[in-house]
Amino acid sequence: SQTIHQWPATLVQPVGSPLSLECTVEGTSNPNLYWYRQAAGRGLQLLFYSVGIGQISSEVPQNLSASRPQDRQFILSSKKLLLSDSGFYLCAWRNPGLGYNEQFFGPGTRLTVL
Amino acid sequence: EDQVTQSPEALRLQEGESSSLNCSYTVSGLRGLFWYRQDPGKGPEFLFTLYSAGEEKEKERLKATLTKKESFLHITAPKPEDSATYLCAVVVGGYQKVTFGTGTKLQVIP
Repeated sequence: SQTIHQWPATLVQPVGSPLSLECTVEGTSNPNLYWYRQAAGRGLQLLFYSVGIGQISSEVPQNLSASRPQDRQFILSSKKLLLSDSGFYLCAWRNPGLGYNEQFFGPGTRLTVL
Repeated sequence: EDQVTQSPEALRLQEGESSSLNCSYTVSGLRGLFWYRQDPGKGPEFLFTLYSAGEEKEKERLKATLTKKESFLHITAPKPEDSATYLCAVVVGGYQKVTFGTGTKLQVIP
């Protein structure tokens, strides 16, 4: 069966510090991978998605970047965090071979920027 | 612009009191609609996918239905463990783009 991991689970960082969040998927090959941010009272906002190694699409211009160095690894980064980067970050995967099928989410990372 | 609106924002039910959650959408070219359950501090858990008007899916006390403009999540005889936020999301155009609603927070009181 497939599993998706995210770490760290929680993170408190000062404004201006760098960020690296990691997501890995097990039990599948060549997944589509996604980064979302969920702010209180708002829906999930798609930040980045990737259909393969080194292929990243950005949905929202912002202070963040993403990379996919390996097939089942997806990393979210920032060089200098802003207060507005606080939120709940979720990684998701889907099997691209089965049409318009669902995405499966990881446990999330709670980021607080102070 | 594609929009997904969920109502009510919050719903409080007595255990055993059946009700429905609504997800209305304004999109061009719906390719699919998902329902998720999200517990506090956790990632969303997939429940159902609906593809076409008239389709229905069931899982335990939950039943999802789809029309051309909205979807309903019916909860029959809910239990306290059904308390969670329920999210709906639509797939429009390319399957990479999924637009989520803001959710309905359900509380079931024993």
